[in-house]
Amino acid sequence: ETGVTQTPRHLVMGMTNKKSLKCEQHLGHNAMYWYKQSAKKPLELMFVYNFKEQTENNSVPSRFSPECPNSSHLFLHLHTLQPEDSALYLCASSQELGGPLKGAFFGQGTRLTVV
Amino acid sequence: DQQVKQNSPSLSVQEGRISILNCDYTNSMFDYFLWYKKYPAEGPTFLISISSIKDKNEDGRFTVFLNKSAKHLSLHIVPSQPGDSAVYFCAALKGAQKLVFGQGTRLTINP
Repeated sequence: ETGVTQTPRHLVMGMTNKKSLKCEQHLGHNAMYWYKQSAKKPLELMFVYNFKEQTENNSVPSRFSPECPNSSHLFLHLHTLQPEDSALYLCASSQELGGPLKGAFFGQGTRLTVV
Repeated sequence: DQQVKQNSPSLSVQEGRISILNCDYTNSMFDYFLWYKKYPAEGPTFLISISSIKDKNEDGRFTVFLNKSAKHLSLHIVPSQPGDSAVYFCAALKGAQKLVFGQGTRLTINP
């Protein structure tokens, strides 16, 4: 149990579908992150939220839309994805920005397959 | 342009021996370097970090060495245990939030 919970664990969606990934943490952390891990590639930072405000968008296509309604929840809304978007999407949280210095907590990830 | 590279996709080590995982980076502006461990079907977990102003950090069986002139860091695990079998990611931190990861090295500890 890492304290960061992601749902669903697996998701298969068509290119015209709209779906959302959910991340929840009750660790009292203030910063939350979305990462993408494609096969044989490093983890890529997608978005950063600090105190519910987006502080980083790492040139992510607009078909990925994050939402952070409060410090405990983070969503990634998906719309008209492409097969190359199939990957493991990981959510992480840290006490504050720079929290990775002490280690960010990662969720188990959502394995997304776009067909 | 991949700024953090782990050139060995896999490594096999006998139980009780030393495991050495390597990582190279290209950006001299990184402030901190971190190692994460990942088991299948789980997210990465933080293992150990080192500031760019230090050359060694030790935590139990885990030691990270940083060679800034060579832009190289390594993680030493000694003695290696079967539970250490996992994928290890090297990561570098630039500024407060931008964590850049390597591709990972799969470590297998053989009994």
